[in-house]
Formats: sequence, structure tokens, C-alpha cells
Amino acid sequence: AQKVTQAQTEISVVEKEDVTLDCVYETRDTTYYLFWYKQPPSGELVFLIRRNSFDEQNEISGRYSWNFQKSTSSFNFTITASQVVDSAVYFCALSDLSGGSYIPTFGRGTSLIVHP
Amino acid sequence: DTGVSQDPRHKITKRGQNVTFRCDPISEHNRLYWYRQTLGQGPEFLTYFQNEAQLEKSRLLSDRFSAERPKGSFSTLEIQRTEQGDSAMYLCASSSRGGPKQNTGELFFGEGSRLTVL
Repeated sequence: AQKVTQAQTEISVVEKEDVTLDCVYETRDTTYYLFWYKQPPSGELVFLIRRNSFDEQNEISGRYSWNFQKSTSSFNFTITASQVVDSAVYFCALSDLSGGSYIPTFGRGTSLIVHP
Repeated sequence: DTGVSQDPRHKITKRGQNVTFRCDPISEHNRLYWYRQTLGQGPEFLTYFQNEAQLEKSRLLSDRFSAERPKGSFSTLEIQRTEQGDSAMYLCASSSRGGPKQNTGELFFGEGSRLTVL
């Protein structure tokens, strides 16, 4: 069965600090997809990134970067020079074909609070 | 804006009453999902539809829950005889791109329907 663990419940930083959100996953499939979603206070989850299990290249998008390491089953998310607008709950998710179709399983989320 | 919309946004009801939530997905999306989220937790999968067919249901979906998607457009989620444990945010999401083994899980979520059972 697929499982996603986000051990950090809440992280508090001061603006301009760098912050890394951890995500560890479990799956028996060799083909799977990993995601990060952002849930701001308004409540709507917003898709940030998808990676497939065959592409371990790290990705950078502006202040956001993602580090995918199959050897440690981790898909960590780093925000560089954090801003107050980054305050939100961030969810890591995994989808594989264990249930017959790709349905994302979400972690419990990490609440990021960025203080001015 | 043609994003996923949900109605109502908030619902307060007394234990034992029935409630129904509606979700209108992005128009060209053929897959529709229902998730439930409680405070401090991530979204938990309830069920999903490929067009009008309900293809998978979670064990979380007890007999009191029923979902439909007539004509493969909007969907409704009904909870009968509500219990206090049903209090949660009910999230709807949609996605496109092919059948069950092609769609890899990039979902577009609505703002959710918050249910409070007194």
C-alpha cells in the first residue's frame, strides 16, 4: 500500500530564511508519481509540481526547488528566501497503480508560517 | 473563471439529518474525485468517477454516503443520517487526460464544502 509521511507538523521561519519541507513515501510499484500541493488559508489546494519515478532530476522553479531521491524514498521541497505569502499548509502526495488507477494519497501536511 | 466549484461552501446541520453537496468540475475534465479533510490532516480519498461511472470507492465511504455523477458532468455527494464524526471539509477535484492508467493524479481542487454536524 502507498504511504506518505510528512514528519514536520509545523515550521516557523522569519522572512528571507530558506526552509525545507520533508516528504518520505512508500510504494511497491516501480512506476509512480509524486506531487506537492499548497493549501493557503483560503482552503483551495493548488498543484505545485509532479515528478515521475523515472526522473530523478532535481527541479527549480523560481524560489522553489525539489529534491527527489529514490535511494531514500524522499521528495523534499525547499523554498529559498521565504516570503509571508508562502505561509500555507503544504502537502506531499503519491499516486501509483496499487489500486488499479492513479489516485493520489496525501500526507498529513506541513504548516509553514513565515513571519515578517 | 471555469475552475472547480462546490456548493454549499458551509453547511451546519443537526445529527441525523441528510445533507447533499454539489461539485461542478472543470468542463473538459472527465475524472472527478471526492476527498474528505479533517482538521490537521491531509485529504483522504472517498471516491472517483470516470465520466459517469463510479470506478472506485474508499472503505471510508460508509453505507450512509452516496455519490453520483449523472451524465458525466456535475456530481453530488449525499450523507444520510449525519453523525458528528462526519464533520469535515469535503473536497472535490477534477482531472483530465485519458483512462484510469493514464491519468497520473494531477488534480484541480475546488474550495471545499465544510460540514458541521451538531
